[in-house]
Amino acid sequence: GEDVEQSLFLSVREGDSSVINCTYTDSSSTYLYWYKQEPGAGLQLLTYIFSNMDMKQDQRLTVLLNKKDKHLSLRIADTQTGDSAIYFCAETDHHRDDKIIFGKGTRLHILP
Amino acid sequence: NAGVTQTPKFRVLKTGQSMTLLCAQDMNHEYMYWYRQDPGMGLRLIHYSVGEGTTAKGEVPDGYNVSRLKKQNFLLGLESAAPSQTSVYFCASSYAGTQNTEAFFGQGTRLTVV
Repeated sequence: GEDVEQSLFLSVREGDSSVINCTYTDSSSTYLYWYKQEPGAGLQLLTYIFSNMDMKQDQRLTVLLNKKDKHLSLRIADTQTGDSAIYFCAETDHHRDDKIIFGKGTRLHILP
Repeated sequence: NAGVTQTPKFRVLKTGQSMTLLCAQDMNHEYMYWYRQDPGMGLRLIHYSVGEGTTAKGEVPDGYNVSRLKKQNFLLGLESAAPSQTSVYFCASSYAGTQNTEAFFGQGTRLTVV
């Protein structure tokens, strides 16, 4: 079955770059997503990438997709205290049933 | 535009009691989901629905039932609550089809079973 894996914790110093990694098993994924969850709130879409792309950049965020290795990463440049949150990787496969499969989330902790 | 609304936001139940969590969305989404979030366990899918009148089991369906009688509402029921069901519950909804299927989340329901 389909599965999305990511590490549970990441600590980064303020001002450094954060790189959050994710692996997935569904080779026919259509869209891959990064969601952000701030304390006490629901998840919100941060960015997404279509499966025929290998990179997407949006201000401080860079998404890299390696389809061969089924690996997705989110890089946050110049990490700020406001970036402290849980980041979820997710995927959908329109050839399957469009159901969104989430990873378990990576908690990003910012060190002063 | 309300988006996805969950009620209640907080609830304390005694073991064995029953309750229903309501999720309502006003975006005409076909798909709706119920997740639970626990420390160290991440987000786990309980049940989901691909359209009005349909439901399907997710990763952790035991102890829960769901109904989707109307397209805009997805109800999660606990017939006999157990302490293991203490969690934060999130509802989400999304479009189906060959388009970007961004999921929109509610703010969560914090449930404590004592």
